[in-house]
Amino acid sequence: EAQVTQNPRYLITVTGKKLTVTCSQNMNHEYMSWYRQDPGLGLRQIYYSMNVEVTDKGDVPEGYKVSRKEKRNFPLILESPSPNQTSLYFCASSTIAGTSNSPLHFGNGTRLTVT
Amino acid sequence: KQEVTQIPAALSVPEGENLVLNCSFTDSAIYNLQWFRQDPGKGLTSLLLIQSSQREQTSGRLNASLDKSSGRSTLYIAASQPGDSATYLCAVRGQAGTALIFGKGTTLSVSS
Repeated sequence: EAQVTQNPRYLITVTGKKLTVTCSQNMNHEYMSWYRQDPGLGLRQIYYSMNVEVTDKGDVPEGYKVSRKEKRNFPLILESPSPNQTSLYFCASSTIAGTSNSPLHFGNGTRLTVT
Repeated sequence: KQEVTQIPAALSVPEGENLVLNCSFTDSAIYNLQWFRQDPGKGLTSLLLIQSSQREQTSGRLNASLDKSSGRSTLYIAASQPGDSATYLCAVRGQAGTALIFGKGTTLSVSS
């Protein structure tokens, strides 16, 4: 089954404790992206990657890191989480062209709480 | 900078009604436009994707149209059902491989 898998689904942590949210896709997609979703602000892009070893900042990259060492994986790293990073995070993937046969596919989300 | 607006923010209709959700964008130079559905606490499910060269796409009871020149898209839902209750999000992509810019969504409630 074609899917984007994020782990964990729920995470509660404390300020300053490094964490990683994993994302993996099995569709051989070149393009992968991380979004955060906040009430009243909608979905905002954090980072994206157009292929292995190619990453770029989205609209809200501060406080986050990513890596793309393999095509299928795109982990999101919070080196020193802060309470304002409490949010619902989504990973997504697609082919580069995003054609009608390959729209953007989303994972089920990771709800992060930083206390 | 591209901005995507969805009005209304919330909509309640009785079962069986046909309805239209609206999406507008400020920069008409788009690569494609995508409509998503999001159920509470869940991820986004792609409903329809319209390429910039297309005028509409259909899937079952859903029909999405695109008018690039006016910066508008509509999602038409025929014969609405309680199971259609969800938040519907519109997103545009400026160039292939670049970020999708999302609207804040319309939350639809269909009562039986």
